[in-house]
Amino acid sequence: EVHLVESGGGLVQPGGSLRLSCAASGFTFSSYAMGWVRQAPGKGLEWVSSISGSGGDAYYADSVKGRFTISRDNSKNTLYLQMNSLRDDDTAVHFCAKFFQDMVTFGGFVHTYHFDNWGQGTLVTVSS
Amino acid sequence: DIVMTQSPDSLAVSLGERATINCKTSQSVLYNSNNKNYLAWYQQKPGQPPKLLIYWASTRESGVPDRFSGSGSGTDFSLTISSLQAEDVAVYYCQQYYDTPLTFGGGTKVEIK
Repeated sequence: EVHLVESGGGLVQPGGSLRLSCAASGFTFSSYAMGWVRQAPGKGLEWVSSISGSGGDAYYADSVKGRFTISRDNSKNTLYLQMNSLRDDDTAVHFCAKFFQDMVTFGGFVHTYHFDNWGQGTLVTVSS
Repeated sequence: DIVMTQSPDSLAVSLGERATINCKTSQSVLYNSNNKNYLAWYQQKPGQPPKLLIYWASTRESGVPDRFSGSGSGTDFSLTISSLQAEDVAVYYCQQYYDTPLTFGGGTKVEIK
């Protein structure tokens, strides 16, 4: 059974940093792309970032580009999100999610897939 | 970016009745080379993470009751709950994975009338 457990959330001041972690189990971690999706209080879902199984390819939402860095340690089955220069509007529950499979390039097109498993989420609150 | 427009924002349906949620994408999410629509549906109950219901627009995830079905192609899609049960009260989201940035619809809240 797939299990994803996020940690590292908390209260941080504007301009501060946090590193989120997602411990994965129940599947061959390195064979799957992973991502982060967030949800501001009372709002909808927003994709934040994705990373390929090898860690060699990463993608970001414009709202976090240049401030957040996604990475993974396949030896530890762990996904990370380094969050710098945090702003009030980064306040949200951040979910770790597993993709259906790794990213695939064919037809000159990088194919990503749907999220088939989600963690419970970790709350990041940015406030002074 | 592909904009996802869901309708309605909320829906109240009697137990045992049909509920239909619509999702329109600003550009086609059908990849012609494999004839697949890169669209998924998720269910989110209060205090829980989203749960995958449907992918490739119409393929039901394992373990999802068959009262849930997805349809549509190109830019217009629907999620139908054929006979609403009490446990189906939730917010439902569509999501496209045709292109980055991945984008979600705004959500549809389904309640019991």
